[in-house]
Amino acid sequence: DVKVTQSSRYLVKRTGEKVFLECVQDMDHENMFWYRQDPGLGLRLIYFSYDVKMKEKGDIPEGYSVSREKKERFSLILESASTNQTSMYLCASSSTYRTGYTFGSGTRLTVV
Amino acid sequence: DAKTTQPPSMDCAEGRAANLPCNHSTISGNEYVYWYRQIHSQGPQYIIHGLKNNETNEMASLIITEDRKSSTLILPHATLRDTAVYYCIVSPPQGAQKLVFGQGTRLTINP
Repeated sequence: DVKVTQSSRYLVKRTGEKVFLECVQDMDHENMFWYRQDPGLGLRLIYFSYDVKMKEKGDIPEGYSVSREKKERFSLILESASTNQTSMYLCASSSTYRTGYTFGSGTRLTVV
Repeated sequence: DAKTTQPPSMDCAEGRAANLPCNHSTISGNEYVYWYRQIHSQGPQYIIHGLKNNETNEMASLIITEDRKSSTLILPHATLRDTAVYYCIVSPPQGAQKLVFGQGTRLTINP
């Protein structure tokens, strides 16, 4: 079974800090995605990537950037964390040739 | 915006079949119907998908109407562990497509 691993389950950061959320998948998937999930707003797509060094903006990219230097790893970067970025962050991966996303367990980020 | 409409919540007794409806009246010819579920504090989990024929796997069955404007996910013998939010999504078939999640249906299985 494919596994998507997010580096931290819980994270607390201070306002203004640079924050890195790491995601690693072990099934050679081409596509990787970052979502955030907030009560009442559901899952919203931040950024996604179809290949190494490629990235595409999702629906809410403001305040975030991403990095995909290796196929298995997709990093989400909060350049200067703000309290409105407190959220659950979910990483997912998928194969272009097969159906279905596989999600990680999520990182609950609190910015204080 | 999500292209599907689901009831916000449903209840089902343990051991009974849970039938979760989804309306997708604007579905395009090349779009599949996907179902995911999210158990509390976990990432969403893929359940099943279909185009126009009914589908069954080890987790669930998917019934799609002939006009493809609605579908029903069936959990044949619901257990307490099936308590989750269930998302119905329509999307083209490629794995690279972005999935747009709506609010889903919160299914509660009662003992």
